[in-house]
Amino acid sequence: GAVVSQHPSWVICKSGTSVKIECRSLDFQATTMFWYRQFPKQSLMLMATSNEGSKATYEQGVEKDKFLINHASLTLSTLTVTSAHPEDSSFYICSAVKPGQGAREQYFGPGTRLTVT
Amino acid sequence: KQEVTQIPAALSVPEGENLVLNCSFTDSAIYNLQWFRQDPGKGLTSLLLIQSSQREQTSGRLNASLDKSSGRSTLYIAASQPGDSATYLCAAPFSGGYNKLIFGAGTRLAVHP
Repeated sequence: GAVVSQHPSWVICKSGTSVKIECRSLDFQATTMFWYRQFPKQSLMLMATSNEGSKATYEQGVEKDKFLINHASLTLSTLTVTSAHPEDSSFYICSAVKPGQGAREQYFGPGTRLTVT
Repeated sequence: KQEVTQIPAALSVPEGENLVLNCSFTDSAIYNLQWFRQDPGKGLTSLLLIQSSQREQTSGRLNASLDKSSGRSTLYIAASQPGDSATYLCAAPFSGGYNKLIFGAGTRLAVHP
């Protein structure tokens, strides 16, 4: 199998502060990781694609200066929510793709619940 | 533009029933389709991945089929159990892509003893 971890599993921060979420592929190297956001009782929405060694690509409507993504190694991508506001409170989930040709199965992390007060 | 729809939105059944969950997608030029399970407050567990060249995949009591021409996939759960209670999500790649996924809204399943 393939294991993806996230840290922290939950975090509470004050409005205006920044918080960093880590996504790690534990038993494989991932050149590509994805970050999703899920609001209560809604489905996952793709925020951005994290590419090792290059800039992340963001989906339409996602502010790149607010959601900073760094994919510094083949096993780690980080998402930093800057100047967080209560509306940023959500469940953030990352996924990682095993390298190879063609369409590959994605492996998802357990998620990080962010609450901004 | 790829859109994914799941029907029904919620389902409550007694234990032992055989279930069919439906997923439809608008762009049939997909490389694969995945079914996931999500427990409340948790991440996603991949259940089945069907490649575009396949028509179905099976894992235990689960069977997923894919009909690209009609833009539909179904997840069949045999002999449902209370432990099957969760939200089931299907996901298809974005139009023109093969790794970026777009998710349906999910089917919330409750299996009661």
